[in-house]
Amino acid sequence: GAVVSQHPSRVICKSGTSVKIECRSLDFQATTMFWYRQFPKQSLMLMATSNEGSKATYEQGVEKDKFLINHASLTLSTLTVTSAHPEDSSFYICSAPARAGVAREQYFGPGTRLTVT
Amino acid sequence: AQKITQTQPGMFVQEKEAVTLDCTYDTSDPSYGLFWYKQPSSGEMIFLIYQGSYDQQNATEGRYSLNFQKARKSANLVISASQLGDSAMYFCAMRDGNAGGTSYGKLTFGQGTILTVHP
Repeated sequence: GAVVSQHPSRVICKSGTSVKIECRSLDFQATTMFWYRQFPKQSLMLMATSNEGSKATYEQGVEKDKFLINHASLTLSTLTVTSAHPEDSSFYICSAPARAGVAREQYFGPGTRLTVT
Repeated sequence: AQKITQTQPGMFVQEKEAVTLDCTYDTSDPSYGLFWYKQPSSGEMIFLIYQGSYDQQNATEGRYSLNFQKARKSANLVISASQLGDSAMYFCAMRDGNAGGTSYGKLTFGQGTILTVHP
């Protein structure tokens, strides 16, 4: 099946710095990428939807100026956490939807564990 | 709006026994897809099983089966012959069935159930 890679897998940064997380579709073109955030022992919550060539759509309550999303190509979407604070420490996962007509396919990156000190 | 509910925060099962993880959903869309994922401590999302809203038969994938009761809006996961490696968090999720729409592929997740398999 198709593969989505995510980099880095773990990152520790100091409060006030910015962190970029990359999500790549390795053998297919992803026109849409979904970014989720997961706190320990909680569910995955959708943060935003990135579409190649257009602005990202953010879910209610997610600060678009803090979580910058860029979908510059059909194989790369990036999430930048700007001016990170300890409360941004979380597990971030990207997901690309199925190809049209292939209903069961849904691809996830392995996730990035962010710790802000 | 779509909603997924998993009412079991934690479940325990003896090795080799079967276990059912509950999931109910709510949607006004006639077309939708239901997924179950396993998430071990590493965090990766492992696909287990998929059921389309128009599928006539319950989905099965090896030791996993989905008890799909459309009228009751439930999609329970049954794991047969539990193994120690099945200990993980399990998520039920629903996807909008509008293929081609800009939000296609967006999943709504339930709260999750932590399954612990005892030897």
